[in-house]
Amino acid sequence: EDQVTQSPEALRLQEGESSSLNCSYTVSGLRGLFWYRQDPGKGPEFLFTLYSAGEEKEKERLKATLTKKESFLHITAPKPEDSATYLCAVQANAGGTSYGKLTFGQGTILTVHP
Amino acid sequence: DAGVTQSPTHLIKTRGQQVTLRCSPKSGHDTVSWYQQALGQGPQFIFQYYEEEERQRGNFPDRFSGHQFPNYSSELNVNALLLGDSALYLCASSLRNAPLHFGNGTRLTVT
Repeated sequence: EDQVTQSPEALRLQEGESSSLNCSYTVSGLRGLFWYRQDPGKGPEFLFTLYSAGEEKEKERLKATLTKKESFLHITAPKPEDSATYLCAVQANAGGTSYGKLTFGQGTILTVHP
Repeated sequence: DAGVTQSPTHLIKTRGQQVTLRCSPKSGHDTVSWYQQALGQGPQFIFQYYEEEERQRGNFPDRFSGHQFPNYSSELNVNALLLGDSALYLCASSLRNAPLHFGNGTRLTVT
């Protein structure tokens, strides 16, 4: 069974204090690893997809990296508007079909104080 | 360009009742998935529809059923509601295997 574990559960940072969120996963053949951001009362907002170990993606102050067992979301010089829950999810290879559920972790609640 | 829209936004039902939630996918998307998100947890996959057929299903009982219409919109039906069904129900759409785009969900409260 596919599993995703995120750590820490909650992270409090001062504005400008860089840090990383961790996503450890086990999956029967990785098709893709996804990062989403979720604001209170809203649905998850897509950030990145990573497909193979060694791949990196960047968007503004966020950088996602992938190894064979985990992914990191690095946040450089965060601002209060980066406060949100960050969700990691994996999609397994589905025997060549295009259909594949996402298995999510429980999320990391990030709070950035001014 | 409208994203994924869900209705209603909030719903209160009594234990044992039935509920129908609705979803319109993002323009151009043909695949719809439904997820249940309990408070403080990540979303859990319920099922996925493509070409009006259920293609994949998560570990949810038969009380949870769905439908996809020719215009790609979808419904989620839950029968015999339990207190534990209280959650945020998220609809997500995609074009085949592209990243999912989520709506803002329907908050279901069962009393």
